[in-house]
Amino acid sequence: QKEVEQDPGPLSVPEGAIVSLNCTYSNSAFQYFMWYRQYSRKGPELLMYTYSSGNKEDGRFTAQVDKSSKYISLFIRDSQPSDSATYLCAMKGQGAQKLVFGQGTRLTINP
Amino acid sequence: EPEVTQTPSHQVTQMGQEVILRCVPISNHLYFYWYRQILGQKVEFLVSFYNNEISEKSEIFDDQFSVERPDGSNFTLKIRSTKLEDSAMYFCASSDLRLETQYFGPGTRLLVL
Repeated sequence: QKEVEQDPGPLSVPEGAIVSLNCTYSNSAFQYFMWYRQYSRKGPELLMYTYSSGNKEDGRFTAQVDKSSKYISLFIRDSQPSDSATYLCAMKGQGAQKLVFGQGTRLTINP
Repeated sequence: EPEVTQTPSHQVTQMGQEVILRCVPISNHLYFYWYRQILGQKVEFLVSFYNNEISEKSEIFDDQFSVERPDGSNFTLKIRSTKLEDSAMYFCASSDLRLETQYFGPGTRLLVL
């Protein structure tokens, strides 16, 4: 079983839709969960990070962590064409330095 | 807003040549990292560096690779004898002492011919 699994998509939705992106993981030691946005041939840009379980909201973005199910989600409300990018989940354990990434989901928002 | 910078943005080299990739981490960060991303694949951890020494490394980070902090601002990755399979995007990242998350640079695209 892969340590972090993420559906690579592609995912295509109309502008204004709510987008749901997800990752599952197998390592119960993971405590920090991050979402990065990556435009083509650019570096990962940190969107949000959460510690342990729960929700975190930042503008149109909401991150959710369910440690009991080993499942994390990123929701994008009122999606815009500028949100079109690849979204990477990443996670690590407490005190750990290595980030483990998912494959990334390629998202396209159609005007 | 502080950011991680990397140079060069692109590097083309011949197989067997040495390359040095450079990074300037965020100024108050103390942990530094290198990751790579082969085209179409996941971002993979290579190495972490703290207090002037390697603190963790992956299986990928073999004797061909080395890292250095030559001065108070730069952090470098050296590949001694490049192979075709070293062609990838190389990302530098940094984090503060809380180790809660990492901030990435724009990457160096390395092409080995």
